[in-house]
Amino acid sequence: RKEVEQDPGPFNVPEGATVAFNCTYSNSASQSFFWYRQDCRKEPKLLMSVYSSGNEDGRFTAQLNRASQYISLLIRDSKLSDSATYLCVVNGSPDYNQGGKLIFGQGTELSVKP
Amino acid sequence: DTGVSQDPRHKITKRGQNVTFRCDPISEHNRLYWYRQTLGQGPEFLTYFQNEAQLEKSRLLSDRFSAERPKGSFSTLEIQRTEQGDSAMYLCASSLAFSQETQYFGPGTRLLVL
Repeated sequence: RKEVEQDPGPFNVPEGATVAFNCTYSNSASQSFFWYRQDCRKEPKLLMSVYSSGNEDGRFTAQLNRASQYISLLIRDSKLSDSATYLCVVNGSPDYNQGGKLIFGQGTELSVKP
Repeated sequence: DTGVSQDPRHKITKRGQNVTFRCDPISEHNRLYWYRQTLGQGPEFLTYFQNEAQLEKSRLLSDRFSAERPKGSFSTLEIQRTEQGDSAMYLCASSLAFSQETQYFGPGTRLLVL
């Protein structure tokens, strides 16, 4: 079983749609969670951190369910520029002061069409 | 540009040759990470340094791979006797220790082994 699992997609949605990505992780001791965005042939860039209370940044909402070991990302009113691969990421060290290797999911490809 | 830089951006080599990649992290960052990404997959952790000390190595890092960070600034990743399976994007990231481990990625070095 992979440590972080995502539906690889692709998700093809029209502009303005709401789209949700889901992710599960296997290590219950994980402490830090993130969504990264990766454009084609570019490096990953941090989209947002994910907190237990849930957090929102504009059109993006991230949620964490520790009991189910489940992370989600919701994108509202999707734009053409949202087209990218979204990577679910978990910090691979129980104590981030001891090290910070990131464990990435496979990534979910999103394509927003006009 | 004050971000993470990597050199070269592309490398084509023949099977059996040695290659070396360089990463220059963000100047005040004391943690430096190497990841490898193949097509359709998320990045996979290879190794990381805190200052000049190599603190963790993945099982993915065979004996043919070696990484150094001699003065705690830039790092090199060398692959000896390259194999076709080494073809991938090699990503470097840096972060501050004792932070939320926001890792900033460089543009990557794309390796093709013929």
